[in-house]
Amino acid sequence: DIQMTQSPSSLSASVGDTVSITCRANQGIRNDLGWYHQKPGKAPKRLIYDASSLPSGVPSRFSGSGSGTEFTLTISGLQPEDFATYYCLQYNTYPYTFGQGTRVEIK
Amino acid sequence: QAQLVQSGAEVREPGASVTISCKASGYTFNSYFMHWVRQAPGQGLEWMGKINPHGGSTRYAQKFQGRINLIRDSSSSTVYMEIRSLRSDDTALYFCARFYNWRGANWLDPWGQGTLVTVSS
Repeated sequence: DIQMTQSPSSLSASVGDTVSITCRANQGIRNDLGWYHQKPGKAPKRLIYDASSLPSGVPSRFSGSGSGTEFTLTISGLQPEDFATYYCLQYNTYPYTFGQGTRVEIK
Repeated sequence: QAQLVQSGAEVREPGASVTISCKASGYTFNSYFMHWVRQAPGQGLEWMGKINPHGGSTRYAQKFQGRINLIRDSSSSTVYMEIRSLRSDDTALYFCARFYNWRGANWLDPWGQGTLVTVSS
């Protein structure tokens, strides 16, 4: 199975800050990676697909980069609604696998 | 718009089985794989398996192989997941999610609202 190592596990930031979250795969997955965020008790929501593409309707403050084994999600200018837990998901190979999650908290 | 509605919360004793449903609407059911993801209390997301509604082929994560079964009923646009031999660590919120992969898109969306399964004696 492909292991996705996500870091940090949590971070504290203020509204307006720029934060980055990293996911590393233990083998190459091309750009078959998505990012999701989740609020407690709710279903996850998609943010980024194919490592760096934004679906319509997702704010442009979210961006993704990377290919192969290392990927980054950047949020430029945190908004109050962005405080949530973020997960990466690789869909290159079955079984699909998620990163462990990054909790973004208000400082 | 596409929507997934899951069945309600369940409570089972250890060793029992449970079946959760996920009813799709607003899109062509047979055109997209349906995936299942679970989340234990306070934990992260865990991919469990998927089913291709067109034909019914399935893939499961190794840890669930032999213990879960995904089936679909195309006449009602519903996917079912049966989990057998329940253990206390199966207590979790279970989600279904469509993998949308048309016109270059590749994402899990929409998601169901989640079904809480509690395993307790």
